[in-house]
Amino acid sequence: AQSVTQLDSHVSVSEGTPVLLRCNYSSSYSPSLFWYVQHPNKGLQLLLKYTSAATLVKGINGFEAEFKKSETSFHLTKPSAHMSDAAEYFCVVSRSGGYQKVTFGIGTKLQVIP
Amino acid sequence: DAMVIQNPRYQVTQFGKPVTLSCSQTLNHNVMYWYQQKSSQAPKLLFHYYDKDFNNEADTPDNFQSRRPNTSFCFLDIRSPGLGDAAMYLCATSREWGSQGGEQYFGPGTRLTVT
Repeated sequence: AQSVTQLDSHVSVSEGTPVLLRCNYSSSYSPSLFWYVQHPNKGLQLLLKYTSAATLVKGINGFEAEFKKSETSFHLTKPSAHMSDAAEYFCVVSRSGGYQKVTFGIGTKLQVIP
Repeated sequence: DAMVIQNPRYQVTQFGKPVTLSCSQTLNHNVMYWYQQKSSQAPKLLFHYYDKDFNNEADTPDNFQSRRPNTSFCFLDIRSPGLGDAAMYLCATSREWGSQGGEQYFGPGTRLTVT
């Protein structure tokens, strides 16, 4: 069994300040973890993924995430927010190796204030 | 560029009138998925195909059907749309199921309105 908890439904930051979107997971197996971004009326785009290699994962557009097994967390960060980062972000878990469908978090809406 | 294409982007249908949404992919991926996404919610998996093998989610209504005539195309048929079926429908692909299944490539979605 697996689940994902995104701890904030809305996050608001000022342009140029750091972004932190929090995600905790639960999994009976070794997890693979992903962050997706969805801009309004668009499909989802993969930002980054963790698949049991390096625990600090770098993605597109300056985002990165750190897998912390002891804390069962996979928080998404970016040093400096840009207006174009305003979107919905989904944390996703699947099983690393084997047959398991993915589980989506409920999403975090990021607002960037000019 | 390899991609996932959905047509149409916007679809309006009448209550009870069958509608078909289409998805095509140039990635040559084995797995194709259909998701339903309502406003401010996470995508909800309706079904997926692993090659020609169809897998229905237990809570997907019978009103929703799917066809995958070949590797590249997949269709979502809604036999008798109700007002509650108004949503964004997302098609996605992944190279494989299982450990690679989390890395999915999404189309832009079809926004379905039911009048």
